[in-house]
Amino acid sequence: DGGITQSPKYLFRKEGQNVTLSCEQNLNHDAMYWYRQDPGQGLRLIYYSQIVNDFQKGDIAEGYSVSREKKESFPLTVTSAQKNPTAFYLCASSVRDGVNEKLFFGSGTQLSVL
Amino acid sequence: AQSVTQPDIHITVSEGASLELRCNYSYGATPYLFWYVQSPGQGLQLLLKYFSGDTLVQGIKGFEAEFKRSQSSFNLRKPSVHWSDAAEYFCAVGFPVYSSASKIIFGSGTRLSIRP
Repeated sequence: DGGITQSPKYLFRKEGQNVTLSCEQNLNHDAMYWYRQDPGQGLRLIYYSQIVNDFQKGDIAEGYSVSREKKESFPLTVTSAQKNPTAFYLCASSVRDGVNEKLFFGSGTQLSVL
Repeated sequence: AQSVTQPDIHITVSEGASLELRCNYSYGATPYLFWYVQSPGQGLQLLLKYFSGDTLVQGIKGFEAEFKRSQSSFNLRKPSVHWSDAAEYFCAVGFPVYSSASKIIFGSGTRLSIRP
């Protein structure tokens, strides 16, 4: 079955540590996104990528980094510069078919700071 | 700058009453518009979407939304709410930046509570 796989489901980070969240899709979608969701808040865009080897900053990119070396993979690194990393992270991908755009979500990764 | 605003953080309505959730966006052209619902501990479910054509869009679970270009709005409505509609509702807007996809950003959400 096609879909988006995020791993791990739960992740713990120590102070000063970088951690990487995995996002893989087998939907052959060009576009991929990373969002952050805090309790009681909406999804905020961290980074997005439209094609391989290209990505753009979203609204809250500081303290995060991404890469897009393969179409199916869009890992997110939460660096030590991100002072408040505890949140739920959602990866998504999208495809546009004519004027019809569809967004697909992974199941998310809950990141907590030890 | 592109932005999405959901001005109501929390709304409480009585079961059986009508509902309208507001969504406004800032963009120089017509974006792609979505409404999602998220129940506690659940993922995001797409309720409806608008790309072009008829500005009144029908979705799942009895929801509809109307795109008003002059007001840059895409408000979600339901004529009669059910207790199971209690959830968090997110408006999302896609701003086309490439030919193949958009930059999609979400509003901050509106939490809907239902009064018995």
